[in-house]
Amino acid sequence: EVQLVESGGALVQPGGSLRLSCAASGFTFSSYAMHWVRQAPGKGLEYVSAISSNGGSTYYANSVKGRFTISRDNSKNTLYLQMGGLRAEDMAVYYCARHWVGHCSGTSCYGGLDFWGQGTLVTVSS
Amino acid sequence: DIQMTQSPSSLSASVGDRVTITCRASQGIGNYLVWYQQKPGKVPKLLMYAASTLQSGVPSRFSGSGSGTDFTLTISSLQPEDVATYYCQKSNGASWTFGQGTKVEIK
Repeated sequence: EVQLVESGGALVQPGGSLRLSCAASGFTFSSYAMHWVRQAPGKGLEYVSAISSNGGSTYYANSVKGRFTISRDNSKNTLYLQMGGLRAEDMAVYYCARHWVGHCSGTSCYGGLDFWGQGTLVTVSS
Repeated sequence: DIQMTQSPSSLSASVGDRVTITCRASQGIGNYLVWYQQKPGKVPKLLMYAASTLQSGVPSRFSGSGSGTDFTLTISSLQPEDVATYYCQKSNGASWTFGQGTKVEIK
């Protein structure tokens, strides 16, 4: 059974730092790209960051670029999100999600985020 | 960055009604479009990818269409269990942006 379990969410002051973790099990973690998505209370989903299966490529939303760093340890089946310079607008539930590829046509591959963790809450307040 | 805009933001329909949600990309994205369903208090669920390919286990009353900049998600016969917020997401490039969501309720 695929499982993604986030941890590390906490109350932090503006300007502070936090590291989120996502422990994966039930699948070959090193074969999948992974994403972080957040959802502020009562709001919609917001893409945060993504990382390739081997960690060689990383991607960030403009809203977090330069402040957040995504990484992974395939030997520990764990995804991370190092968050710095936290702002009130970063307050949200942070989900990790698996990037699944449904099919490829030539060099074009199509899929989506097929498994999500339950999320971890980050609160930014003084 | 490519922006994704959904309409309407919310809708109310009767059981059995046909419901259509639109998602528009600010630039062409081919058919790199994914739809998710998020029920209240739950995590998002993958409904469809490649704009029109139904994810395994998703009821056939859900369908998707479109390519380029304009996409639609259709529920052919709305059921009570379809009450949820639906999100589109572009699935190519460096930023997998979401639409703002469409909340579907039963009238």
